[in-house]
Amino acid sequence: AQSVTQLDSQVPVFEEAPVELRCNYSSSVSVYLFWYVQYPNQGLQLLLKYLSGSTLVKGINGFEAEFNKSQTSFHLRKPSVHISDTAEYFCAVSGMDSSYKLIFGSGTRLLVRP
Amino acid sequence: GAGVSQSPSNKVTEKGKDVELRCDPISGHTALYWYRQSLGQGLEFLIYFQGNSAPDKSGLPSDRFSAERTGGSVSTLTIQRTQQEDSAVYLCASSLFGSYEQYFGPGTRLTVT
Repeated sequence: AQSVTQLDSQVPVFEEAPVELRCNYSSSVSVYLFWYVQYPNQGLQLLLKYLSGSTLVKGINGFEAEFNKSQTSFHLRKPSVHISDTAEYFCAVSGMDSSYKLIFGSGTRLLVRP
Repeated sequence: GAGVSQSPSNKVTEKGKDVELRCDPISGHTALYWYRQSLGQGLEFLIYFQGNSAPDKSGLPSDRFSAERTGGSVSTLTIQRTQQEDSAVYLCASSLFGSYEQYFGPGTRLTVT
């Protein structure tokens, strides 16, 4: 079984500042890792994913994340945020046991202020 | 191309009534998933269909919940005898066979009064 922890329920940041959203996971099997973004009243959009290979993954909208197996983390970062990045961000895992279902964290609301 | 679509976008129902929620996956996607997003429980997996294989129903919260997928395409999630705790946004996603990348629909917001 897998679980995901997003310790920060809300992260306020000023426009053009850097941001890091934290994600830690636990699993008895190897996992694939994902970050999704949800804008108000919309569904989930995939930001980036780690399946294999380089542990530094780049996604859409200038976001990137780094898989750290020893720390079981997959933190999301952006060097300079925009007002339009205000949204809810979800970290998710899927076990490499062909179950395919996503296990989500509780989400982090990123609030970008001018 | 067209994404995952869900209908209705909003549904208000009285406690005890049955409801049906519909999902149209992306054409060619053989895998289909239902998730529930609620304030108390966050995002939870409900059920997963893959082609003609038996569905993974391990996330369904009670026997009042059921889902079917006709012709390997459209799926319907049915909730019988709705309760107030069923109020949530129900999200559908689809993916290509063997892919871990899921594409989500806009969701159906269910309110049980």
